[in-house]
Amino acid sequence: AQSVTQPDIHITVSEGASLELRCNYSYGATPYLFWYVQSPGQGLQLLLKYFSGDTLVQGIKGFEAEFKRSQSSFNLRKPSVHWSDAAEYFCAVGAQNDYKLSFGAGTTVTVRA
Amino acid sequence: DVKVTQSSRYLVKRTGEKVFLECVQDMDHENMFWYRQDPGLGLRLIYFSYDVKMKEKGDIPEGYSVSREKKERFSLILESASTNQTSMYLCASSPGLAGTWGEQFFGPGTRLTVL
Repeated sequence: AQSVTQPDIHITVSEGASLELRCNYSYGATPYLFWYVQSPGQGLQLLLKYFSGDTLVQGIKGFEAEFKRSQSSFNLRKPSVHWSDAAEYFCAVGAQNDYKLSFGAGTTVTVRA
Repeated sequence: DVKVTQSSRYLVKRTGEKVFLECVQDMDHENMFWYRQDPGLGLRLIYFSYDVKMKEKGDIPEGYSVSREKKERFSLILESASTNQTSMYLCASSPGLAGTWGEQFFGPGTRLTVL
């Protein structure tokens, strides 16, 4: 079964600084990878997804993620964060022949002025 | 836009009550899911359904049941609510397998408190 680890529980970043959130997955075959964001009091919104092809994936809100098979990682990045990026971020992995996704425990991002 | 709606944003119930959480999606998705979200634990799958009247247990089904009588509606039932079921409950839907159109679309969540 697949699983996801998000090593950082909480990250604080200054507005305008770059952000990188780590995600490591465990799965024997080709993984299908997702990043979701949850703003306070809201449901989860998909930021980006990787199914195949180019390992650098562009998403909404200026986010990108890079799939590195050799490191079993799918880290999320943003070059310059905005105060509105303060939220909780979840990495998820799915398998080709499965309906389910496995989610990490989440990383909370705080943006300071 | 896919819309997933949940019947309540906040709910307070007493121990032992039977609780119904309703979820409706408007995009004709095959799959629907119920998760609970707890701090430090992320999202844990309770049950999912891949077709009307079909259901499968997720990782933490104990104390819960589900019903899917119509394609657009998926209900989560707490037969006898307990305080350890106080949590945020999230409903999601998806059009297919994870490896094809597998992204899930989420509702706003129901924060349930059991006293």
